[in-house]
Amino acid sequence: GAVVSQHPSRVICKSGTSVKIECRSLDFQATTMFWYRQFPKQSLMLMATSNEGSKATYEQGVEKDKFLINHASLTLSTLTVTSAHPEDSSFYICSATGGGETQYFGPGTRLLVL
Amino acid sequence: KNEVEQSPQNLTAQEGEFITINCSYSVGISALHWLQQHPGGGIVSLFMLSSGKKKHGRLIATINIQEKHSSLHITASHPRDSAVYICAVSSYGGATNKLIFGTGTLLAVQP
Repeated sequence: GAVVSQHPSRVICKSGTSVKIECRSLDFQATTMFWYRQFPKQSLMLMATSNEGSKATYEQGVEKDKFLINHASLTLSTLTVTSAHPEDSSFYICSATGGGETQYFGPGTRLLVL
Repeated sequence: KNEVEQSPQNLTAQEGEFITINCSYSVGISALHWLQQHPGGGIVSLFMLSSGKKKHGRLIATINIQEKHSSLHITASHPRDSAVYICAVSSYGGATNKLIFGTGTLLAVQP
């Protein structure tokens, strides 16, 4: 089946630093990638949708200057959390589609901002 | 009221029991998804369906479009089935296959 990877799986950083998370589709071309955030015991919240070669579409309430998304190729999207603060600590998950409706999810990245 | 609601929120079962998780939605959909999230956080897509019934191993998913309701059944449950099960829908008119998620059902199967 289709495989999506994320790197890193876990990151701890100091407040004020920026963190980059990569999402890769390993065996298919991902026309669309989604970025989600999940707080403990809560469901996934869509942050943004990105299509290769175009600007990401952010959900209401998500700061585009704080969560920078780049989808430069059909197999890679990156999420950069800029000037991270403790409240940004969360589980970040990406998913990708190859044009159909099935979304293939990455394993997630656990971010802890001290 | 959430657009996608699941019940129960928590479920504890004994190994071997037949399990049912329910999902109701209030929007028009093009497809409904059942996802499984293990304690480590990774998510696996179990089913995507727009009508009828699908079966994969011990898992069965059904959907009733008229009643806007879906069920996920697990036969002969096993401790390794312990996970959070999430119902999500692709909404009509939604852009680019965006999903609307239910809050999940935490299943614990005890040996």
